[in-house]
This record gives sequence, C-alpha cells and structure tokens, in this order.
Amino acid sequence: AQTVTQSQPEMSVQEAETVTLSCTYDTSESDYYLFWYKQPPSRQMILVIRQEAYKQQNATENRFSVNFQKAAKSFSLKISDSQLGDAAMYFCAYRSAGDDKIIFGKGTRLHILP
Amino acid sequence: DSGVTQTPKHLITATGQRVTLRCSPRSGDLSVYWYQQSLDQGLQFLIQYYNGEERAKGNILERFSAQQFPDLHSELNLSSLELGDSALYFCASSAHIQGLKEQFFGPGTRLTVL
Repeated sequence: AQTVTQSQPEMSVQEAETVTLSCTYDTSESDYYLFWYKQPPSRQMILVIRQEAYKQQNATENRFSVNFQKAAKSFSLKISDSQLGDAAMYFCAYRSAGDDKIIFGKGTRLHILP
Repeated sequence: DSGVTQTPKHLITATGQRVTLRCSPRSGDLSVYWYQQSLDQGLQFLIQYYNGEERAKGNILERFSAQQFPDLHSELNLSSLELGDSALYFCASSAHIQGLKEQFFGPGTRLTVL
C-alpha cells in the first residue's frame, strides 16, 4: 500500500524568507502523480502544485517549487519570499496513475512570522 | 471558488442519528469523491462515484453510504452516528479524462456529533 509521510508537524518561517517542507512517499509503482495542497484557516483545500512522476523537470508555480527525487521517493515543497497569506496546513499527496483516490500525508502546519 | 458546492456547511447532531451531506460537482465533471478529515485519522478517501456508478471504495464504514444521482450531484449518508464521526467531510470532483485528472475540492461540511 502506498503511504505518504510528512515528518514536520509544524514549521515557522520569517516573512520574505524561504522555507522547505519535506515529504516522502512509498510506492512500488512507476507511474503516479504527486501534489501539494494548501489548507488555510477557511478549510478549503487548494492545489498548490503537482508533479507527474515521468517528468524529470521539477514543477514550479510562481513562488512555489518542488524538489522531486524519484529514486529517493522524496517530494519537498519550497516556498520563496514567504508571505503572511502562505500560513496554512500543507498536505503532500499521492495518486497512482491507474487509480483515482488521493492519499494524503498528515500535513505540516506552516506559520509565517511578521 | 472551486466550483464544487457542499451543503450544509455545518451540521450538529446527536449520537445515533442519521445525516445526509450533499455535493454538487463542477459543471461537466462526472466523478465525485468523498473524503473525511478528522484529527486522528487525517484526510482519508471514502468513496468515488463516476457517472452514477460506484467506482472505488476506501476506508468507508458500513454505517456510511453514498450515491450519485442522474444530475451528477452526490449524497453521503451517515447513520448510527458516533462521537468519532465528528469530522470535516469534503467532496471533490474531476472530469474523467486520461492522465492527470485534477480533483477540485468543495468547501467541506463540518459535522459535529454530540
């Protein structure tokens, strides 16, 4: 069974600084997708960034980028120029290409210090 | 706004009762997913429907059931409620296409069982 592990329950970063959230996953499959979701205090689940496992190039969305290491089964999220609005719970997630359900990690709560 | 709507936003009920949560997917999306977010279990996939048919089942209790109607809206029925059923219930929808099928999440229904 696939699992997703986020080893940092909470993190803090100074506004305008850079922070990296860690995620590792376990799977025996070769074709899958990885995601980072943001859940602000409003509870809405917002897709931040996604990565197809067959793509070697790391995904980037504005201030958000990932470091995808397929062999190490690692998928970290880097947030540059942190803003107060980035404060939220961040979930790393996995979906097999042959499946529809998403498997989520336990989440990392990110605090932005002004 | 993801385009997925869920009603009600909040629900407070007593143990042993039965409730129905409703979800309307984004226009054109044929797949509906239900997830449960609780403090101890995190975010877990419950069940998926595609165009009215059950497609995948996750960690859904026998006391829970769901269906998708011809107009594609879905309902999640929770019966014989227990204190531990208190959680945030998300509905998500996606278009059923090959490859990366992004799931769009609704705002969730907060269920409190007293």
